[in-house]
Amino acid sequence: AQSVTQPDIHITVSEGASLELRCNYSYGATPYLFWYVQSPGQGLQLLLKYFSGDTLVQGIKGFEAEFKRSQSSFNLRKPSVHWSDAAEYFCAVGGTSYGKLTFGQGTILTVHP
Amino acid sequence: GAGVSQTPSNKVTEKGKYVELRCDPISGHTALYWYRQSLGQGPEFLIYFQGTGAADDSGLPNDRFFAVRPEGSVSTLKIQRTERGDSAVYLCASSLSWGETQYFGPGTRLLVL
Repeated sequence: AQSVTQPDIHITVSEGASLELRCNYSYGATPYLFWYVQSPGQGLQLLLKYFSGDTLVQGIKGFEAEFKRSQSSFNLRKPSVHWSDAAEYFCAVGGTSYGKLTFGQGTILTVHP
Repeated sequence: GAGVSQTPSNKVTEKGKYVELRCDPISGHTALYWYRQSLGQGPEFLIYFQGTGAADDSGLPNDRFFAVRPEGSVSTLKIQRTERGDSAVYLCASSLSWGETQYFGPGTRLLVL
């Protein structure tokens, strides 16, 4: 069965600081990996995805993530956080074997001015 | 183009009542998914359709939940004899086909009193 773990429920950073959100997954085949962001009262917006190829993927809003098969991880990073990045972030795994997505519990990001 | 839309945005009902939640996918998307997001949790898969047929309904919690997609476009999630534990945000997503990137709607927030 597929599963996703986001170890950090809540992270607080200062505006301008760097950010890394952790994601570990379990999947029986080559995974498709996703990061979504959800702002209060909003739907889930896709930040980036990994299907194959280059293990470092670039997304919208200056985010990037690196797929590390040996560590079963897909951590999200941003070099300099903006106040508008405050939201909840979800990592998800899916694939051609399983059309459905399995999400982690989410990480709430708070940004201090 | 237009994204995934869901109606109503909010629904308040009484325990034991019947509710219907509607999802309009992105035009041309053949796959449609329903997820449920409880407070403080990531979305959990309920069911997905490829065309008109339910390809995987393994996430439906019990037989009070049912979903249809009669013409391969709009889908309706139906909940009979609602219980307080059904209170959650119900999310709909669509993708070009099975296993492709899923785009989410804003959700329907259901409150069962």
